[in-house]
Amino acid sequence: GQNIDQPTEMTATEGAIVQINCTYQTSGFNGLFWYQQHAGEAPTFLSYNVLDGLEEKGRFSSFLSRSKGYSYLLLKELQMKDSASYLCAGGRYGGSQGNLIFGKGTKLSVKP
Amino acid sequence: GAVVSQHPSWVICKSGTSVKIECRSLDFQATTMFWYRQFPKQSLMLMATSNEGSKATYEQGVEKDKFLINHASLTLSTLTVTSAHPEDSSFYICSAPKPDRGYGYTFGSGTRLTVV
Repeated sequence: GQNIDQPTEMTATEGAIVQINCTYQTSGFNGLFWYQQHAGEAPTFLSYNVLDGLEEKGRFSSFLSRSKGYSYLLLKELQMKDSASYLCAGGRYGGSQGNLIFGKGTKLSVKP
Repeated sequence: GAVVSQHPSWVICKSGTSVKIECRSLDFQATTMFWYRQFPKQSLMLMATSNEGSKATYEQGVEKDKFLINHASLTLSTLTVTSAHPEDSSFYICSAPKPDRGYGYTFGSGTRLTVV
């Protein structure tokens, strides 16, 4: 299977750090993506992990453990504009081109 | 680079009519286009994969006769919702693999379909 699980909602305070977890069944995925999505808009790419470990990009970091089927997105120095849904997605490769299988998303609310 | 233009951004149609959504790759050739649907507060669900010059591959549970996909050129893929019903009201979005495969995928801006 390719179920992807992440918390439905989270709340954090401006300036704080928040970690959004994602677990998935390990079969069939090559790489783990994180996207940010504001309501009614297209997802925006945040990060991509294909190997185990931590990838850091400014205020955002993402971690992957393939053996555990586990990833997290870490957001530092939270800003109000970070209030959005964060989607964990597995890259599935089959045939000539792969696609993304998305989790249900975590709605993050950043409060003053 | 690797921009996908999706139109229309929103559309309201009457029940029973058909609606066409277009996705164009502006600065690259998209041999493959993925079509997703997203209901409110739900995730993006893959509907189908279109490949230029061949039939689309539909995910389980998606009616191929209702959601017609055409990928006649390397820069244009279309999704037509036929005989639309209120339950088809959703956010439809296309996505294509980026040509350099660096970070995978580029998305269209999405189409909000409301069937009344």
